[in-house]
Amino acid sequence: GQQVMQIPQYQHVQEGEDFTTYCNSSTTLSNIQWYKQRPGGHPVFLIQLVKSGEVKKQKRLTFQFGEAKKNSSLHITATQTTDVGTYFCAGTSGNTPLVFGKGTRLSVIA
Amino acid sequence: DADVTQTPRNRITKTGKRIMLECSQTKGHDRMYWYRQDPGLGLRLIYYSFDVKDINKGEISDGYSVSRQAQAKFSLSLESAIPNQTALYFCATSTAYLSGANVLTFGAGSRLTVL
Repeated sequence: GQQVMQIPQYQHVQEGEDFTTYCNSSTTLSNIQWYKQRPGGHPVFLIQLVKSGEVKKQKRLTFQFGEAKKNSSLHITATQTTDVGTYFCAGTSGNTPLVFGKGTRLSVIA
Repeated sequence: DADVTQTPRNRITKTGKRIMLECSQTKGHDRMYWYRQDPGLGLRLIYYSFDVKDINKGEISDGYSVSRQAQAKFSLSLESAIPNQTALYFCATSTAYLSGANVLTFGAGSRLTVL
């Protein structure tokens, strides 16, 4: 079945440093979504990418979808303590439920 | 009030007991899901339902059953709980329509501990 791999599992950064998490799928995706889960909270939707090579920005967050629609990345510029949490990518190949990566837990040291 | 409500939020039970986790939603979404979260393993799909009469197994359905009582209600049952079912359980909803298609809205989670 479809698998979604996400790296790194953990990332510790100093406040102000950049952060990137990467996601790779074993199959071509129809779309990929990103979610953020704050400590003690539930996953919250951030963004959905649909088109090959698509790039979307939300303030300091930049999301990319690969040309082959099998990989994606989330980059945070100049991290802040409010960025702490676990970031999940999730993809689907059609009318099937999302398959989640294992997530990247981000810690920001002030 | 939350769009997706899960009850109970926390539950401690003993091995062999039957447990039901309930989920209700006010978003009017047609699709509902149960996910399980364990540290380092991400979110794994247990069961999902695309409509009231539709029930599908997910990646890790063994030891679980579900019931879709109405469009707004989706419950997860553990017939005979075992310790390795100790985890955080999330209910989620989505719609197949409009621009928000397949975007998941999660409940706050139900933390289950099986002793």
